[in-house]
Amino acid sequence: AQKITQTQPGMFVQEKEAVTLDCTYDTSDQSYGLFWYKQPSSGEMIFLIYQGSYDEQNATEGRYSLNFQKARKSANLVISASQLGDSAMYFCAMREAGGADGLTFGKGTHLIIQP
Amino acid sequence: DADVTQTPRNRITKTGKRIMLECSQTKGHDRMYWYRQDPGLGLRLIYYSFDVKDINKGEISDGYSVSRQAQAKFSLSLESAIPNQTALYFCATSESGTGNEQYFGPGTRLTVT
Repeated sequence: AQKITQTQPGMFVQEKEAVTLDCTYDTSDQSYGLFWYKQPSSGEMIFLIYQGSYDEQNATEGRYSLNFQKARKSANLVISASQLGDSAMYFCAMREAGGADGLTFGKGTHLIIQP
Repeated sequence: DADVTQTPRNRITKTGKRIMLECSQTKGHDRMYWYRQDPGLGLRLIYYSFDVKDINKGEISDGYSVSRQAQAKFSLSLESAIPNQTALYFCATSESGTGNEQYFGPGTRLTVT
């Protein structure tokens, strides 16, 4: 079974609209971290936001927020007021306290912002 | 200067050749990682290292080996390259703990012909 599932291979959004990128995860660990990374066409991996499994508040970083629903094992990324520069691949990833130390990534969502 | 550097940035090699990808970091982190990314897929973990003496296999280690020459240097070798190892390879560093982000290098685009 996949540990990180991103069900939206591609999305088109109008500039200035808010966008939600879906992510569900699967783990039996009590302690884990959830991350979102952005990969523009240039290829680098850019960290956006982090949510810890014990955090009670949803994480926010500027225009990015993470809608964390622990019971549903969901960690959706919300981008408010989208900009043309937000066009990129977005990856959800998880780091578990047990098992291999490293990030497990989803397959990503290709977001295109249209003017 | 970049915190995590990778060399080379692009490499084309032939089937059967041995190739080494190098990674250096100035973050002072103990933990280092190698990932590969195939088109349409997320990154997958190849190897990770807690420190110079502690190296561990990841999800897809077959066909690869690594060397941690120093805290700041972690190299990935393909002993006998094959075409399906054509991919984008990333090195990353991190502090320990689930709450710490990983810092990625710019990636090495490897093509095996």
